[in-house]
Amino acid sequence: EDQVTQSPEALRLQEGESSSLNCSYTVSGLRGLFWYRQDPGKGPEFLFTLYSAGEEKEKERLKATLTKKESFLHITAPKPEDSATYLCAVQSNYQLIWGAGTKLIIKP
Amino acid sequence: ETGVTQTPRHLVMGMTNKKSLKCEQHLGHNAMYWYKQSAKKPLELMFVYNFKEQTENNSVPSRFSPECPNSSHLFLHLHTLQPEDSALYLCASSQVTGNSNQPQHFGDGTRLSIL
Repeated sequence: EDQVTQSPEALRLQEGESSSLNCSYTVSGLRGLFWYRQDPGKGPEFLFTLYSAGEEKEKERLKATLTKKESFLHITAPKPEDSATYLCAVQSNYQLIWGAGTKLIIKP
Repeated sequence: ETGVTQTPRHLVMGMTNKKSLKCEQHLGHNAMYWYKQSAKKPLELMFVYNFKEQTENNSVPSRFSPECPNSSHLFLHLHTLQPEDSALYLCASSQVTGNSNQPQHFGDGTRLSIL
């Protein structure tokens, strides 16, 4: 069964404390993995698409990486404005499957 | 400005009411989607329209009725909803071309509360 699991469910960091969010997946035929950011009261905002193992994408303090089983969203020296819920979605041969998200809180 | 506009942003309705949610996309995309988002759960895909034709209906109860009059507008008609239907309803659009997997772009949602 196709499945996407994000961990941890929530993560609290001090400003400047780097860490990583995980998105592990089991799907029949990976056709793309998407990362989104969602702020309270807003819809998900697209961040990155990764298509194949070994691929990396960067945007400001965020860097997304992909292996055959999981993707990491690395956040370097985060700031309070990076606080949000980060969602991962995987496109299989048949459907787009979403994870439940990681709520990231950055304390000043 | 996301390019996808949803109205209303908030809606409170009784179980016997009829209401509609509206979505408009200004991105020139050819596919539109309705999702339900509940706390701490993955997004649930409800309906998909490609080129105005419905291509997916993920076992959604008939009290939810979608309408897509053109590739820029999408409606979700609501009738005799249940308390468990209270959630954030998100509209998204994307460009679908052959095997290309373009990301979906979302509106800010309608927060629906059923009394």
